[in-house]
Amino acid sequence: QVQLQQWGAGLLKPSETLSLTCAMSGGSFSPFFWSWIRQSPERGLEWIGEINHGESTNYNPSLKSRVTISLDRSKSQFSLDLTSVTAADTAIYYCARVFRKGYSLYGMDVWGQGTMVTVSS
Amino acid sequence: DIQMTQSPSSLSAYVGDRVTITCRASQSIANFLSWYLQKPGNAPKFLIYAASSLQTGVPSRFSGSGSGTNFSLTISSLQPEDVATYYCQQSSTTPRTFGQGTKVEIK
Repeated sequence: QVQLQQWGAGLLKPSETLSLTCAMSGGSFSPFFWSWIRQSPERGLEWIGEINHGESTNYNPSLKSRVTISLDRSKSQFSLDLTSVTAADTAIYYCARVFRKGYSLYGMDVWGQGTMVTVSS
Repeated sequence: DIQMTQSPSSLSAYVGDRVTITCRASQSIANFLSWYLQKPGNAPKFLIYAASSLQTGVPSRFSGSGSGTNFSLTISSLQPEDVATYYCQQSSTTPRTFGQGTKVEIK
């Protein structure tokens, strides 16, 4: 069964870049989409973006200018970079697999364990 | 962005009660609606997709219904292990958006 294990720096200063990596095991990147979501008391669950097995991406317009999601097939990993962080980016960040039924995409059926990221000077 | 609005924001019910949570989309999303439950300290758990299809392994006391803009999640007989916060999420368009959550507790 597919499992996701994520890691990355948990404490950042304002203006730094948040970088998280998610390793997938027990499955294949194809034909799925892979996403990043964050959760904070202020914003609730917020979708950051997604990448598919062909490396096409979709981003949340509210974050698009600062976000890059990439995929490394050789390592079975996908990553999130968020530049110029502020205190408003403090949240738990999750990686997840997007559930697919035929050609339709639904919710996220497999989740990483979450990484608490705090932005503070 | 499509706004997802859940109600109530919290509820308290007895073990064995039937519980219903509603989710309304700000525009039609057909059946591109999923439900999750989340327990403190854990990632969300995928319960239902396509508005009414139960994910493998999810107990049959959970069910979903609706299409277009109005959806609901029902727990037919509330169990102590169902204490959690429940979220809806639309995947009709990007950005994918979530409801604000409904906290379910036992009386």
